Amino acid sequence: AQKVTQAQTEISVVEKEDVTLDCVYETRDTTYYLFWYKQPPSGELVFLIRRNSFDEQNEISGRYSWNFQKSTSSFNFTITASQVVDSAVYFCALTPLGGSYNTDKLIFGTGTRLQVFP
Amino acid sequence: DSGVTQTPKHLITATGQRVTLRCSPRSGDLSVYWYQQSLDQGLQFLIQYYNGEERAKGNILERFSAQQFPDLHSELNLSSLELGDSALYFCASSVASGQGRQFFGPGTRLTVL
Repeated sequence: AQKVTQAQTEISVVEKEDVTLDCVYETRDTTYYLFWYKQPPSGELVFLIRRNSFDEQNEISGRYSWNFQKSTSSFNFTITASQVVDSAVYFCALTPLGGSYNTDKLIFGTGTRLQVFP
Repeated sequence: DSGVTQTPKHLITATGQRVTLRCSPRSGDLSVYWYQQSLDQGLQFLIQYYNGEERAKGNILERFSAQQFPDLHSELNLSSLELGDSALYFCASSVASGQGRQFFGPGTRLTVL
């Protein structure tokens, strides 16, 4: 089965706190991509990061960092020193690319709503 | 701005009606994807076209159909609309299938009354 689980439905923090959004995925494929998207209140989907299954290096981009661990099938996202503008719904997604698949459709988790209060 | 355009932005219609959602991919992108975001089902993949041909189908109802035209724009047709079809419909595009990076349009919000 191909599945993405975001167990945290909603998280509330106060500005400047660090926050980690959890993502656990399931796939039998050895080749796949993992993504994080942000959906602000305006509704559009904003791409944040793509990671392929062969690259387990953690990544940092400004206040954002991602921890990919194949051993636990997790791809967690941390926002350091959160800001009010970070308030949004965050989606983790999986694209399996193995076997007979001829599509790179995105399989999304249910999203985590992050509210950052001033 | 992702470069993907969708029209209309909002659509309000009645049950039993038919609507067409339109998507123009980024210049040079051959692959177009449609996704539905609803409160019940979350964000789910509907269908993918690549260079005019259907590449993959997801949880797309039989009342829904799509096509990709020679100029690569795509249309999603929804017929015999039901209240449960109310959702945000996203189009995304990518250079080719298997590249992994999809660029999303702003979405069309469909309300069925």
